[in-house]
Amino acid sequence: QKEVEQDPGPLSVPEGAIVSLNCTYSNSAFQYFMWYRQYSRKGPELLMYTYSSGNKEDGRFTAQVDKSSKYISLFIRDSQPSDSATYLCAMQIGTASKLTFGTGTRLQVTL
Amino acid sequence: GAVVSQHPSRVICKSGTSVKIECRSLDFQATTMFWYRQFPKQSLMLMATSNEGSKATYEQGVEKDKFLINHASLTLSTLTVTSAHPEDSSFYICSASVRAGETQYFGPGTRLLVL
Repeated sequence: QKEVEQDPGPLSVPEGAIVSLNCTYSNSAFQYFMWYRQYSRKGPELLMYTYSSGNKEDGRFTAQVDKSSKYISLFIRDSQPSDSATYLCAMQIGTASKLTFGTGTRLQVTL
Repeated sequence: GAVVSQHPSRVICKSGTSVKIECRSLDFQATTMFWYRQFPKQSLMLMATSNEGSKATYEQGVEKDKFLINHASLTLSTLTVTSAHPEDSSFYICSASVRAGETQYFGPGTRLLVL
């Protein structure tokens, strides 16, 4: 079993839709959770960083962590074509420990 | 700010040759740099962590004699794939942090194809 599971997609939604991206994990030692966005032929860029259960909002993005269920989500409101990218979840046991990534979900927002 | 570059972006080589990939932090000094590998439809997997001026720490299962990492300055780390074989074909991506435990900034990746 992989430590982090993420549906690779692709996920296609119309512009303006609410997007829900999810990851599950098996290692209860993970304490820090991140979402990265990766455009084609670019490196991942950090979108959201959380370390506690609950919601964290930043503009159109909301990261949700449920440690009891070992489940994290990223919600994108009012999705735009420019949001089309691959979204990767990543996790750490400690801030100095390695990042463990999901496979990434490819999102396509259509006009 | 916090830009990381990689060179080359794509390389094709013959089996048995060595390939060097450069990772540079352009506008900050990186005490720590990381090298990842990503096979198609799989996760980014950490290969090794390097700290400026010291030997790299390799993840389990990564051959340190095959994947040579040099982090000679605070802005440059290199990964050399020695005697590359077709199974080494992959997407190699680096990241850099000002200090260990701080945000990692990723490069755009290098696609290696070994024929």
